[in-house]
Formats: sequence, structure tokens, C-alpha cells
Amino acid sequence: AQRVTQPEKLLSVFKGAPVELKCNYSYSGSPELFWYVQYSRQRLQLLLRHISRESIKGFTADLNKGETSFHLKKPFAQEEDSAMYYCALSALGTDKLIFGTGTRLQVFP
Amino acid sequence: DVKVTQSSRYLVKRTGEKVFLECVQDMDHENMFWYRQDPGLGLRLIYFSYDVKMKEKGDIPEGYSVSREKKERFSLILESASTNQTSMYLCASRLTGYNSPLHFGNGTRLTVT
Repeated sequence: AQRVTQPEKLLSVFKGAPVELKCNYSYSGSPELFWYVQYSRQRLQLLLRHISRESIKGFTADLNKGETSFHLKKPFAQEEDSAMYYCALSALGTDKLIFGTGTRLQVFP
Repeated sequence: DVKVTQSSRYLVKRTGEKVFLECVQDMDHENMFWYRQDPGLGLRLIYFSYDVKMKEKGDIPEGYSVSREKKERFSLILESASTNQTSMYLCASRLTGYNSPLHFGNGTRLTVT
């Protein structure tokens, strides 16, 4: 069965510090991986998908198949990055997404 | 832009009541989903539907049922509400296809007293 693990419930950093939100998955095939973000009082929205290899709002995420990880990184955190972040996986051939338990990022001024 | 609309933002119901949560999407997506969101537990899939009248159980279907009579509408039904079903419920839709993202509604916060 597929599983997504986000080991940190809360990550607190100061503005300008680097950020890494961890995501590990268990799946034997080729996964589709996503990062979703939920800002205060807003709906959950897509941040990144691994296939796009893009940088959104300064965030990047690299799929490491050897370590089965998809960590989200940003070199310099901003206060507006404070939000709840969820990592999600979809197995090849299915349309359902499995989510991790989420990490709350707090960026202090 | 895809719009997923959940009919109620807040609901308060009594134990034992039958509860309907409604969700509509306007982008002709084949797939629709119901998740519940709880602190420390993340998003857990209750049910999903990949076509009209088609449904599959997710990870926590007990106490819930769903209905999809039209492509754009997906309803979640709590047959007999219980206090442990107090939660935030999120509806989402997605096109079929590799790497297609989920689009979420605003959520319905249900309180069962």
C-alpha cells in the first residue's frame, strides 16, 4: 500500500533562514508526487508537482527515488510562507491522491 | 480556472441526524473526492468517484456513503451523524491523466453535537 510520511508536525524558522520540509513515501512503482499548501483561511492549493521540475514562490522539490523522498526546500524563508504544507502521492494508473499528515511552517520576523 | 464549490461552509447537526454535504465542480472533471481533514491526521480519503454512478471506498468509508448522479455533483452522506464525525470535510476534483492536480473546495466544517 502507498504511504506518505511527513515526520515534522511543526517547523519554525526565522525570516531569511533556509527551509526544508521533509516528505518520504513508500511505493514500489513510479509515483506522481505533489506538494499542496494551505494558507490561513484559504483553500488547499497545489504548490508543486515533481514532473514539472519548477520553482514556485521560491520553493523547489526534487524526487529522490533511491531515498524515496520528495523534500520541499526554499533557501530564504519569508513570513508569507507561513502555512500548512502537505505532501501527496498518486500511484501510477490510479486517480486518487494519498496525503501525508502535514507540516505547519511558521516563519518568524 | 477550476471552481469547486461546497454548499455549506459551516454546519451544526445533532447526533443521529442524516447529513448531506454537497459539492459541485464546473470543469467537467471525471474524478471527484471527499476527504476529511483533522489536526495531526492530515487528509484522509473517505470516498472517490471516477464517473457518474461509480464510486470507490477510500481509507475511512465507515459511517459514510456517497452519491454521484451527475458528473458535476458529488454528495457525501452521513447516514447517522456521530460526534466523532465532527471534522473539516474537503471536496476535490481532478482530470484523469498523469500528473493532473487536485482542485479543492473551501471545505465544510461540520460539528456534530
